[in-house]
Amino acid sequence: AQSVTQLGSHVSVSEGALVLLRCNYSSSVPPYLFWYVQYPNQGLQLLLKYTSAATLVKGINGFEAEFKKSETSFHLTKPSAHMSDAAEYFCAVSSPSSGSARQLTFGSGTQLTVLP
Amino acid sequence: DTAVSQTPKYLVTQMGNDKSIKCEQNLGHDTMYWYKQDSKKFLKIMFSYNNKELIINETVPNRFSPKSPDKAHLNLHINSLELGDSAVYFCASSPSTGGYTFGSGTRLTVV
Repeated sequence: AQSVTQLGSHVSVSEGALVLLRCNYSSSVPPYLFWYVQYPNQGLQLLLKYTSAATLVKGINGFEAEFKKSETSFHLTKPSAHMSDAAEYFCAVSSPSSGSARQLTFGSGTQLTVLP
Repeated sequence: DTAVSQTPKYLVTQMGNDKSIKCEQNLGHDTMYWYKQDSKKFLKIMFSYNNKELIINETVPNRFSPKSPDKAHLNLHINSLELGDSAVYFCASSPSTGGYTFGSGTRLTVV
């Protein structure tokens, strides 16, 4: 079984400030981990993914995330927030196995607000 | 050249009606999925097909029936629509190596 916990359903930062969105996972097998972004009334866009290669993963729009096995975490960061980063962010876990383990299990999402 | 395309984008219908949502992917992926996003934005898997074979069928009412005519298509048919079915439905696909591509969603409103 696998699950994801996103700490903080709402996060507010000032423009130019550090963005930190927290994600902890639970998985009985080595996980694949993902961050997706959803802008209002739009679909899900992949920001970045970890698939057992480098533990520090760089994604689009200046975001990155670090896989920490000891902490079972995959927190998303961006050094300097832009107004355009305001959106809903989802952390998700799957595994490289076949069958039902391949499914993506999502966290409950974090709404990021960027203040001018 | 959209990778995962869903139609329609919006669907407004009355209770009791039957409706279908279509999904097509041109990525050559072997697995396709249907996810439901509720009003609180929580995303939950409904079904998964691998090479036209059903491999995941979560606790979903029997009124929901997926159909995969081929590896590139996964449609969702819903019978006797209820108010609680109102949500955004996302189609997705993935290769065996992981990495999921989502469609832009179908916003279903049952009135």
